[in-house]
Amino acid sequence: GQNIDQPTEMTATEGAIVQINCTYQTSGFNGLFWYQQHAGEAPTFLSYNVLDGLEEKGRFSSFLSRSKGYSYLLLKELQMKDSASYLCATMDSNYQLIWGAGTKLIIKP
Amino acid sequence: IAGITQAPTSQILAAGRRMTLRCTQDMRHNAMYWYRQDLGLGLRLIHYSNTAGTTGKGEVPDGYSVSRANTDDFPLTLASAVPSQTSVYFCASSSGATTEQFFGPGTRLTVL
Repeated sequence: GQNIDQPTEMTATEGAIVQINCTYQTSGFNGLFWYQQHAGEAPTFLSYNVLDGLEEKGRFSSFLSRSKGYSYLLLKELQMKDSASYLCATMDSNYQLIWGAGTKLIIKP
Repeated sequence: IAGITQAPTSQILAAGRRMTLRCTQDMRHNAMYWYRQDLGLGLRLIHYSNTAGTTGKGEVPDGYSVSRANTDDFPLTLASAVPSQTSVYFCASSSGATTEQFFGPGTRLTVL
């Protein structure tokens, strides 16, 4: 079957670093996406990994290990505006996205 | 229009009524998608269209239909709404199969 697992909620402090993990089991694999979704708003694209390794984009980095079915999103120098849900999604063999339920990140001053 | 728009923003609907959710994009993207998002669940794909004139079923297509008469528009129709279709509906588009999807602002639908 197809399954995406990520923690339901995480709390971190402003200025700190947080790592949000995602594990997956999908039929076929054509890449992994991370999206950010603020409450009441639409998801917005953060990153796409299709090869193993770390992709860095400013304060945000995303890592993928295909052999372990594992990814993480790393957020550095946390700001209050980073309070949001972070959605992990894999692209299956039919090029359709399978979404996790999202991780709600709460940033405290 | 800039990006992708949806209408209405929100709607309360009596069970059994027919409803069409509208979605329009001006990015000339080939692919378009309809998702529903429910609390505690991930986004679930309802229907998709890889190019104008073609549509396909996603994970949860029952009770919904779509059409893709042109590149820009991708309406979603609930033929006879039921309370379990209460959800937030997002339309999205992408230029290709493996490229990022751009999402509309969503339609919050309540079926009573």
